[in-house]
Amino acid sequence: AQSVTQPDIHITVSEGASLELRCNYSYGATPYLFWYVQSPGQGLQLLLKYFSGDTLVQGIKGFEAEFKRSQSSFNLRKPSVHWSDAAEYFCAVGSFGNEKLTFGTGTRLTIIP
Amino acid sequence: NAGVMQNPRHLVRRRGQEARLRCSPMKGHSHVYWYRQLPEEGLKFMVYLQKENIIDESGMPKERFSAEFPKEGPSILRIQQVVRGDSAAYFCASSASGTEIYGYTFGSGTRLTVV
Repeated sequence: AQSVTQPDIHITVSEGASLELRCNYSYGATPYLFWYVQSPGQGLQLLLKYFSGDTLVQGIKGFEAEFKRSQSSFNLRKPSVHWSDAAEYFCAVGSFGNEKLTFGTGTRLTIIP
Repeated sequence: NAGVMQNPRHLVRRRGQEARLRCSPMKGHSHVYWYRQLPEEGLKFMVYLQKENIIDESGMPKERFSAEFPKEGPSILRIQQVVRGDSAAYFCASSASGTEIYGYTFGSGTRLTVV
């Protein structure tokens, strides 16, 4: 069965500092990997996705993620966070032909001045 | 196109009542997915529908929950005889092709509170 682990429940970062959110997955087939962001009371917005090819994926809002098959990881990074990045971030895994996405439990990001 | 529309945004029901959650997919999307987000948890898949067909309901509780996506009109998630444990945010997503290649588009959710 596929699973996603986001080991950090809550992260606090100073505005302007760099950010890395961790995501580890367990999946038997070739995974499709996603990062979503959820602002309070809102739905989920897709930040970026990986299907194949270049393992460094660029997304919206200045985010990027790197797929490392050997570590079963798909960590999300941003070189300099903005106060508007405060939100909940979810990593998800799926595969071609499987219509279900499996989500991690999320990482809540707090930005301090 | 306003995207995936879910209504109501907030719904309060007393224990034992029925809850009906509606989802209108994006224009041109014929695949609908329902997910549930319990407090402090990630989203859990419930059901995948195409027009007039349930494709995968492996995440649906065996009792009290049902879903439909009629030929005309929105998709409906129905919860009968609600209990406190049904309190959650219910998200609908739609896609054009039925694979994650294009990624889901999520609605803003319906937050159900059972009192």
